[in-house]
Amino acid sequence: EAGVAQSPRYKIIEKRQSVAFWCNPISGHATLYWYQQILGQGPKLLIQFQNNGVVDDSQLPKDRFSAERLKGVDSTLKIQPAKLEDSAVYLCASSRTPLRGVQETQYFGPGTRLLVL
Amino acid sequence: GENVEQHPSTLSVQEGDSAVIKCTYSDSASNYFPWYKQELGKRPQLIIDIRSNVGEKKDQRIAVTLNKTAKHFSLHITETQPEDSAVYFCAASHTLLPSMKTSYDKVIFGPGTSLSVIP
Repeated sequence: EAGVAQSPRYKIIEKRQSVAFWCNPISGHATLYWYQQILGQGPKLLIQFQNNGVVDDSQLPKDRFSAERLKGVDSTLKIQPAKLEDSAVYLCASSRTPLRGVQETQYFGPGTRLLVL
Repeated sequence: GENVEQHPSTLSVQEGDSAVIKCTYSDSASNYFPWYKQELGKRPQLIIDIRSNVGEKKDQRIAVTLNKTAKHFSLHITETQPEDSAVYFCAASHTLLPSMKTSYDKVIFGPGTSLSVIP
């Protein structure tokens, strides 16, 4: 099966500019995650979708970050305006819907490396 | 809040030796524990996982042990090779059921262990 696709792979912007990332999950995966991974740290969940609904956005800085998943497939993550501390790798992952409490494996995309100057 | 700790943060071993990475979690509802390997500049990839109804699982040179009472689990790599050099992340997960029609996994990752295997 095809993996999780993300674009762009790299992005350099100046602070206060806007940027958007795109993710296409594995076909049939209802759950989509956006993570922020700062150098030397583990992935930190920003937002989690189940189909086209948000199930967890408790760690999303909503004053500058937004995400949507129209039609329950592709998703975009936007930062507006960007700050220096937003420099990180943004990972998208997807998984099947858990059934009867049996968790499903997450599959990660290659990530988008963002540098804010 | 929910937390996953991971130790050590860096680990260097000689080729052929064993490597052990330990994680502890705080949420007693966690019942699925995957381990991911992330090579430099690449995506995290699942290498092994364990569910709470099992105490140990092995896959060739990799094994994971789980102690639910103590809330800790460990990754063991035997006969290490240079290609094992990477950052390893543990995670703890459980399923939430906010309604009769909706269920989703909540996953917390550890901070990672950078493993270097010296030839």
